Amino acid sequence: QVQLKESGPGLVQASETLSLTCTVSGFSLTSYHVSWVRQPPGKGLEWMGRIRSGGSTDYNSALKSRLSISRDTSKSQVLLKMNSLQTEDTAIYYCTRDFDYWGQGVMVTVSS
Amino acid sequence: DVVLTQTPPTLSATIGQSVSISCRSSQSLLHSNGNTYLNWLLQRPGQPPQLLIYLVSRLESGVPNRFSGSGSGTDFTLKISGVEAEDLGVYYCVQSTHAPFTFGSGTKLEIK
Repeated sequence: QVQLKESGPGLVQASETLSLTCTVSGFSLTSYHVSWVRQPPGKGLEWMGRIRSGGSTDYNSALKSRLSISRDTSKSQVLLKMNSLQTEDTAIYYCTRDFDYWGQGVMVTVSS
Repeated sequence: DVVLTQTPPTLSATIGQSVSISCRSSQSLLHSNGNTYLNWLLQRPGQPPQLLIYLVSRLESGVPNRFSGSGSGTDFTLKISGVEAEDLGVYYCVQSTHAPFTFGSGTKLEIK
């Protein structure tokens, strides 16, 4: 069955780079787009960006300068890297396949 | 970027009551391929979002048919015909016609 699972550090220092991995199963990354979505505590959902099935990417305008999304199809993984972290980047980070399947999310706290 | 204005921000309903949520877009969500990529999600407390409706009005597999979606262009509505206790949570519209994708601000449904 289709599954997505996020992994990464729970705590990151301000100004450092966040690296998250979304490991998928039950479908191919070359057939579906995968997005990253985040949710600060008590707030709404924010679309961060996606990697298309063909490998190209789209990014949130406000995050574009700090964000990179890539993939390793051999490992069925989608990778997120975001630099210059601030405390406002504290959030649950989700990966989702075209919004129909979601991971459970990973909580990332940015410490000053 | 497309702005989705979702109303009301909160909704209080009794069991069995029918309710509607509006999602208005700052520009048409009709894609050049003829599809309108407007989805509705429900996020229950402590859970990742789940897809309810895609392509404006198509019911995701396994979602009860008391949920329905309608609309076109820039105006969309989610209706719940006969609210049940399990429907509590926050409802979001999200558009994936124009990159970067965007979410509405959410509607919190409370059960009286």
